[in-house]
Amino acid sequence: DSGVTQTPKHLITATGQRVTLRCSPRSGDLSVYWYQQSLDQGLQFLIQYYNGEERAKGNILERFSAQQFPDLHSELNLSSLELGDSALYFCASSVFNSPIAGELFFGEGSRLTVL
Amino acid sequence: AQSVTQLGSHVSVSEGALVLLRCNYSSSVPPYLFWYVQYPNQGLQLLLKYTSAATLVKGINGFEAEFKKSETSFHLTKPSAHMSDAAEYFCAVSATGGGNKLTFGTGTQLKVEL
Repeated sequence: DSGVTQTPKHLITATGQRVTLRCSPRSGDLSVYWYQQSLDQGLQFLIQYYNGEERAKGNILERFSAQQFPDLHSELNLSSLELGDSALYFCASSVFNSPIAGELFFGEGSRLTVL
Repeated sequence: AQSVTQLGSHVSVSEGALVLLRCNYSSSVPPYLFWYVQYPNQGLQLLLKYTSAATLVKGINGFEAEFKKSETSFHLTKPSAHMSDAAEYFCAVSATGGGNKLTFGTGTQLKVEL
C-alpha cells in the first residue's frame, strides 16, 4: 500500500460526458502528479501540482483540467469525453517538488472506460 | 528533452535464470534514471534510481542497474529470476531543467516460467 488513494477505481461513462477523478496523497506529501496510461500511448505525464500551485504541464488536453486543494488532495476533471480517453489514470505523490529530489508514490489508478 | 527507449516489450525467462531488461536514454544534460515495477492491478513502485553518485545502483528485490554513459544505457538485471518477479517494468528519466517531468518508457512485460 503506497498510501496514495484514488477514487473511483473504475468508472464507465458515455462519450460527451464529464468525470472527476480524485487523489489523496500520502500524509505529508506536497506534490501530486497525474499520469495517463493507455495501450497505444503508454504512460503519459499530464500535470503536476505542488502545495496548491501548478508546477509542470505535460501532454494534457484542453478538455482536461486539474487542481490541488488546500488539504492537498487533487482532482482531475475530464470533459467532453471521447472513446480515446479510455485509460488508466494514475496519481502519484511526493514530498518534494521534483521527481529528482524524492520518490514518487503511485496510487492504484482509476480505470476510465468511455463507451 | 529527455527520453528513454526500452528494447523488447516482452521478455520471458526461466525461474533461476538471469533477468536483463534493456533501457537506453537520450538527454542533453546529465540524466537521473529510474526503474519502476508495476504488478497486476497495482500502481508503480520504485525499484531503484541513479542520481550520479555511483554507476552501479542496487535496488529492492535483488535488482540492480548500471549506468553506462558511453552506451547511454541503464539496463536492469537480476541474477536469478523468481516467479514473483513477473510484472511490467518501466524505465524513466528526469533531469534538472526538465520541468519536473518523469518521462517513462513503453514498458517491458517480464514473464517467468518454471
